[in-house]
Amino acid sequence: NAGVTQTPKFQVLKTGQSMTLQCAQDMNHEYMSWYRQDPGMGLRLIHYSVGAGITDQGEVPNGYNVSRSTTEDFPLRLLSAAPSQTSVYFCASSLGRTGPNQPQHFGDGTRLSIL
Amino acid sequence: AQSVTQLGSHVSVSEGALVLLRCNYSSSVPPYLFWYVQYPNQGLQLLLKYTSAATLVKGINGFEAEFKKSETSFHLTKPSAHMSDAAEYFCAVRGFDYKLSFGAGTTVTVRA
Repeated sequence: NAGVTQTPKFQVLKTGQSMTLQCAQDMNHEYMSWYRQDPGMGLRLIHYSVGAGITDQGEVPNGYNVSRSTTEDFPLRLLSAAPSQTSVYFCASSLGRTGPNQPQHFGDGTRLSIL
Repeated sequence: AQSVTQLGSHVSVSEGALVLLRCNYSSSVPPYLFWYVQYPNQGLQLLLKYTSAATLVKGINGFEAEFKKSETSFHLTKPSAHMSDAAEYFCAVRGFDYKLSFGAGTTVTVRA
């Protein structure tokens, strides 16, 4: 099993550009989520999904869009990149049916710099 | 809403010494608590989780954590630090809404 796969691993953008961060999991997990990690702030939830076709906002959703057309994929879109979105982004997934006690599995992250 | 607070952003220990990382939680319902470890330039890896089956939880790499409801704490310990324990550690809490809330993290350095 590959687990949670994120692409790309590194990306540099100019202010105003758009891009999509890809996330795929092969564990048939219902729950998927996106976090951003900034120094001294831990991980903050951007968006999450409890299943295909269902998404909701997390703590810091502004400037980001998501969709969940399949169980496996959960892409994160930056609509118009801003320097404040420079961060490390993590995708995670977990089983949903058996309850919130299931741990989340994390990808290796995407390091994004906005110039 | 649930939240966690990690006390101390940096902890430095000598090799072979006790590692103690503090985490306090706030939750209106019985919490699901987790400790994750992050090595440089990697994602997060689960160390252990508390799900009400036992108050003392054993995890990987010799770590364990004790759930104390009266103190709303879930501190992480390891009796003897190893150089490979140098990493950042995150406490996290999850409620019935499935959202996972992280603490700010504690960076552990191990001195030879």
